[in-house]
Amino acid sequence: DTAVSQTPKYLVTQMGNDKSIKCEQNLGHDTMYWYKQDSKKFLKIMFSYNNKELIINETVPNRFSPKSPDKAHLNLHINSLELGDSAVYFCASSQMGGNEQFFGPGTRLTVL
Amino acid sequence: QKEVEQNSGPLSVPEGAIASLNCTYSDRVSQSFFWYRQYSGKSPELIMSIYSNGDKEDGRFTAQLNKASQYVSLLIRDSQPSDSATYLCAVNTAGGGADGLTFGKGTHLIIQP
Repeated sequence: DTAVSQTPKYLVTQMGNDKSIKCEQNLGHDTMYWYKQDSKKFLKIMFSYNNKELIINETVPNRFSPKSPDKAHLNLHINSLELGDSAVYFCASSQMGGNEQFFGPGTRLTVL
Repeated sequence: QKEVEQNSGPLSVPEGAIASLNCTYSDRVSQSFFWYRQYSGKSPELIMSIYSNGDKEDGRFTAQLNKASQYVSLLIRDSQPSDSATYLCAVNTAGGGADGLTFGKGTHLIIQP
């Protein structure tokens, strides 16, 4: 059984478009995260979210918005895509912040 | 600004030897420490977590934590070619806080057959 899943695996789009990435976890965790891994393989937190609180990394442009319909899902919406948004985006989850996080397979976003 | 530093490598180790990976962190209030393994084109995979000073062993892996020196290490005994990957050190500031992990840039480990 897949613990943390993401769709799509690959996403190729034009500059200026709006796109979404979906994430689901079946681990029963209460906290979910979005990370960005750039071309130099540096992995950086973008957002964390539980059913009470959204933590936004202040360096993330407001074109990026996480949306959580329920505890098992955290989707990432990106408006007005830019070339610099090209990266691999990973979803992760944990049982409470500070504990072990488990990552999804990643979504490779390419903006042309 | 929280920082996690790792030597990017590549670190080349003969098969069967011990691979030693090191990590330092800047935030003294860090509470939780993790090692992830990432194969090329794959997602990070958790291999060790450590929360208190000292050593923690799991199979061929040993994590070591020294909070006074702000230093975390990972030892891989009897290294195998399948251990060749990038190893990411990650730190979390506060138990219960949901502000995510701060990662180092990773050490690229090559196990030579």
